[in-house]
Amino acid sequence: DQQVKQNSPSLSVQEGRISILNCDYTNSMFDYFLWYKKYPAEGPTFLISISSIKDKNEDGRFTVFLNKSAKHLSLHIVPSQPGDSAVYFCAASEPFGNEKLTFGTGTRLTIIP
Amino acid sequence: DTGVSQNPRHKITKRGQNVTFRCDPISEHNRLYWYRQTLGQGPEFLTYFQNEAQLEKSRLLSDRFSAERPKGSFSTLEIQRTEQGDSAMYLCASSFRGYNTEAFFGQGTRLTVV
Repeated sequence: DQQVKQNSPSLSVQEGRISILNCDYTNSMFDYFLWYKKYPAEGPTFLISISSIKDKNEDGRFTVFLNKSAKHLSLHIVPSQPGDSAVYFCAASEPFGNEKLTFGTGTRLTIIP
Repeated sequence: DTGVSQNPRHKITKRGQNVTFRCDPISEHNRLYWYRQTLGQGPEFLTYFQNEAQLEKSRLLSDRFSAERPKGSFSTLEIQRTEQGDSAMYLCASSFRGYNTEAFFGQGTRLTVV
């Protein structure tokens, strides 16, 4: 049972344009959502997060949007840079627990110079 | 503090052997997690410590797996009688105790069972 889904295994975007990565979830108990970036042979690096009480969180070039009614979140990267090429994982956790993360399967983003 | 540290980075072992991995979390963090990642999948939760207490174990963690966190500092993950299906990246993460706190991951230990 995949509770967090990233339906696009890969995405290619021209440098300077906007990258939009999508994530859907099925568990309505999730209340905290995170995006991690992963380079080959390295551990995931925390990028940005959003609490369920918000619908948008912005940090520099990165913005995460949350649509609770649709159980959908997206990560926008503007402008996209070659160093953004990596695998991006969406993750979620439930409240009042140990905050273990449930991850999606990832989207490989390739920025084309 | 340079972040979460995991050793070794790579381990190749023969089927049936025992292996042990070590994780040194960020020093102020009292939560520590182990995850496993296989090819094409996201990390999957294995177990969780708050200080020295192991508070949750996933059903993915068979009897051959054991984790410890003595004194609430570093943690070890041991796999006994390794099988080829144990081949994966083993990731450690740590975080502050609290509500909606992000977890910081180490670089992982890549295990290959031959």
